[in-house]
Amino acid sequence: GAVVSQHPSWVICKSGTSVKIECRSLDFQATTMFWYRQFPKQSLMLMATSNEGSKATYEQGVEKDKFLINHASLTLSTLTVTSAHPEDSSFYICSARGGGWGEKLFFGSGTQLSVL
Amino acid sequence: TQLLEQSPQFLSIQEGENLTVYCNSSSVFSSLQWYRQEPGEGPVLLVTVVTGGEVKKLKRLTFQFGDARKDSSLHITAAQPGDTGLYLCAGASYNFNKFYFGSGTKLNVKP
Repeated sequence: GAVVSQHPSWVICKSGTSVKIECRSLDFQATTMFWYRQFPKQSLMLMATSNEGSKATYEQGVEKDKFLINHASLTLSTLTVTSAHPEDSSFYICSARGGGWGEKLFFGSGTQLSVL
Repeated sequence: TQLLEQSPQFLSIQEGENLTVYCNSSSVFSSLQWYRQEPGEGPVLLVTVVTGGEVKKLKRLTFQFGDARKDSSLHITAAQPGDTGLYLCAGASYNFNKFYFGSGTKLNVKP
């Protein structure tokens, strides 16, 4: 299968700072990338869908000014958590599809964000 | 609110037992996928089912897609400790532009 790389794996930051998470498709062109948030022992909640070169589509209840998503190229999408607060602490996971893989999703390894 | 509800939420069984996990929705999906996730890692795809009524087998795992493409089940035969993990179903919208995950089933297989 295809490979999706997500960095960093974990990050600790102070309240009020911004954190950027990168999601890269290493061996295919990802026409669509998805960002999910997962709380401990819970399922993945879709935050937003991003298509290369266009604005991300956010799910209801997700603040687009809080969670900035950029999908500037077919291999890179970034999620920036702006002015982070402790309640933003969570496991963030990206996934990507495209490059002839049809509907298959390939996931990054996730980023554990802890806001102090 | 979860678009896909899974049951049971938690399951703790002995090695060698059989189990079934259910994934139900009121929505119709073009395809449904099952994933297994280990703590601190991203989900890993197990199978994709596309046709209503489809049954797929992956060693000791049997996946079924409901006739109406609204529900699915995962049956594990003779569970092993290595099967322990969080099992997630995910439904794809018709244009494959969105994937929604089920509420998850945490499976623990005791040796």
